[in-house]
Amino acid sequence: QVQLAQSGTEVKKPGSSVRVSCQAFGDTFGNDIINWVRQAPGQGLEWMARIIPVLGTLNYADSFQGRLTIGADTFTNSVYMDLTSLTSNDTATYFCARESIADDWLDAWGQGTLVIVSS
Amino acid sequence: HSVLTQPSSVSGAPGQRVTMSCTGSNSNIGAGHHVHWYQQFPGKAPQLLIYADNSRPAGVPDRFSGSRSGTSASLAITGLQAEDEADYFCQSYDTSLSTSKVFGTGTKVIV
Repeated sequence: QVQLAQSGTEVKKPGSSVRVSCQAFGDTFGNDIINWVRQAPGQGLEWMARIIPVLGTLNYADSFQGRLTIGADTFTNSVYMDLTSLTSNDTATYFCARESIADDWLDAWGQGTLVIVSS
Repeated sequence: HSVLTQPSSVSGAPGQRVTMSCTGSNSNIGAGHHVHWYQQFPGKAPQLLIYADNSRPAGVPDRFSGSRSGTSASLAITGLQAEDEADYFCQSYDTSLSTSKVFGTGTKVIV
């Protein structure tokens, strides 16, 4: 069973950028689909993007178009998320999660990375 | 951001049965897309609880069950236990949006 380990807490200034990484252990990505989901403090879950590392296929939510870039490094079995032009509204916990190949449920999650945007 | 609507909280005594709804529309649940449910404890990542409307991953007790009908889905917990106190989110797919996945607003279960 794959386990996903994410990078640590980030504190950023408004207008800056952040990279959050997610590394898979216990298995390679294979044909896995990795998603990014975020959760603002006390709020619900918001889907951001997904990538199929072996194919390089990318999908983004409209609300992040132009500010979000995701990518993968198959040699290190990791994916990353770059978010630019940060505002206080981007303060949230960011999760990577593996999507089932059978349907679109998310069956393995990283532990989450807290990103705080504050001046 | 949430396209799917859930009650903000439900409560029950230990041993009771509670249910929570996940209400969507004809572009998501009503279009026949499966509904999945996640359980989340404070400060932790969500965990898959129910997939494809009514299937349980290995290790999930059969006290948890799901169903889908029309434009809504439901999650039921029978024999409620103190350890079930958590947040629960539903998830589906919406054909009218560019987003791959849509989530519910979340329901806090209070035991």
